[in-house]
Amino acid sequence: TQLLEQSPQFLSIQEGENLTVYCNSSSVFSSLQWYRQEPGEGPVLLVTVVTGGEVKKLKRLTFQFGDARKDSSLHITAAQTGDTGLYLCAGAVSGTYKYIFGTGTRLKVLA
Amino acid sequence: NAGVTQTPKFQVLKTGQSMTLQCAQDMNHEYMSWYRQDPGMGLRLIHYSVGAGITDQGEVPNGYNVSRSTTEDFPLRLLSAAPSQTSVYFCASSRQGRGSNQPQHFGDGTRLSIL
Repeated sequence: TQLLEQSPQFLSIQEGENLTVYCNSSSVFSSLQWYRQEPGEGPVLLVTVVTGGEVKKLKRLTFQFGDARKDSSLHITAAQTGDTGLYLCAGAVSGTYKYIFGTGTRLKVLA
Repeated sequence: NAGVTQTPKFQVLKTGQSMTLQCAQDMNHEYMSWYRQDPGMGLRLIHYSVGAGITDQGEVPNGYNVSRSTTEDFPLRLLSAAPSQTSVYFCASSRQGRGSNQPQHFGDGTRLSIL
């Protein structure tokens, strides 16, 4: 069974602090996506990374795909209360139509 | 834009009852899938479809059936509900692609409780 482990599971920080969320697996993925989910809603895509070593920036969010395409990280600079939510990574399993989701990181940013 | 529409939003069933969760998308996406979300376990793939008439099993298919007679609709059937199937169910759609980097578009979920 392929697994995507996210850490930390929970994170509570003050507004203005920086944070990093990790997504790790022993499996290789053809691409990796990051989603954010608000209560009562479905996940919404933030970014897709495809190439090993790729770095993408979305305003204060920086996403990196590991060189071996087995892991990824999400770094948020100067967190805001609007960043509060559940962050999920999802790997596209090579050679299949399947996606494996990580266990999620629940972030709370306090004013 | 409707996107992915799931109905119902909430449902309570008794053990042994059957029901169908509906999912419809208006983006002409070939790929559709069903996930369940349980606390601390992320989303787990139940079944998926790569086009009308083609379905396959995901990670946790037992107790669920699917069919895909049209591009737009992908219903999920619970054959005989069990308390272990209490969960939030999400339907998603995306453009086709093996190992795809296409974004998945999710509905707002169906919250299902089995008593």
